[in-house]
Amino acid sequence: ETGVTQSPTHLIKTRGQQVTLRCSSQSGHNTVSWYQQALGQGPQFIFQYYREEENGRGNFPPRFSGLQFPNYSSELNVNALELDDSALYLCASSSRDRASYEQYFGPGTRLTVT
Amino acid sequence: SQQGEEDPQALSIQEGENATMNCSYKTSINNLQWYRQNSGRGLVHLILIRSNEREKHSGRLRVTLDTSKKSSSLLITASRAADTASYFCATVAGGYQKVTFGIGTKLQVIP
Repeated sequence: ETGVTQSPTHLIKTRGQQVTLRCSSQSGHNTVSWYQQALGQGPQFIFQYYREEENGRGNFPPRFSGLQFPNYSSELNVNALELDDSALYLCASSSRDRASYEQYFGPGTRLTVT
Repeated sequence: SQQGEEDPQALSIQEGENATMNCSYKTSINNLQWYRQNSGRGLVHLILIRSNEREKHSGRLRVTLDTSKKSSSLLITASRAADTASYFCATVAGGYQKVTFGIGTKLQVIP
């Protein structure tokens, strides 16, 4: 157990809808990163938040947005869902103050878009 | 985009044998990490090797890094059925420590 939790575990949405996924970071961590993992692929970096500000973004459109709260928990919001958004969404918390930048992953939220 | 490429993509061995997985990457890195993932769930951090290190051990794991060839290998010795999982290498680079994963090696250890 890493101490990182995600909710919900599974989610089924319809194309065009909006979804919010949640992540609670490990205690003492101030950075959260979100990843999308399609079936049979490695995780793809969506974005990272450090002390409530976006601090880096991968190759994802603006309809993917996020928030980080003062307690360092985080949300991933996806608007106008598309079928290709079906994937496992992983969040990872870390402490940017540590040079090693080891990340602790949550169990993921599996999103299915129909 | 994926930076790392793991090789092989799938590996099946008998319990007790050693398993070797390789990872190649394209850009300069700060460090390289190996993760394990069971059945499409969350990733578990296994080991980290910094760009100025060449070899690192942790229990039955041995990781090497060759920055001149931009490659790394993960060796699992005396494999067990419980080692069956997907293994990913991840490179960490840049000012904000962007982590980029490879496509993974699916390891099956047959009892």
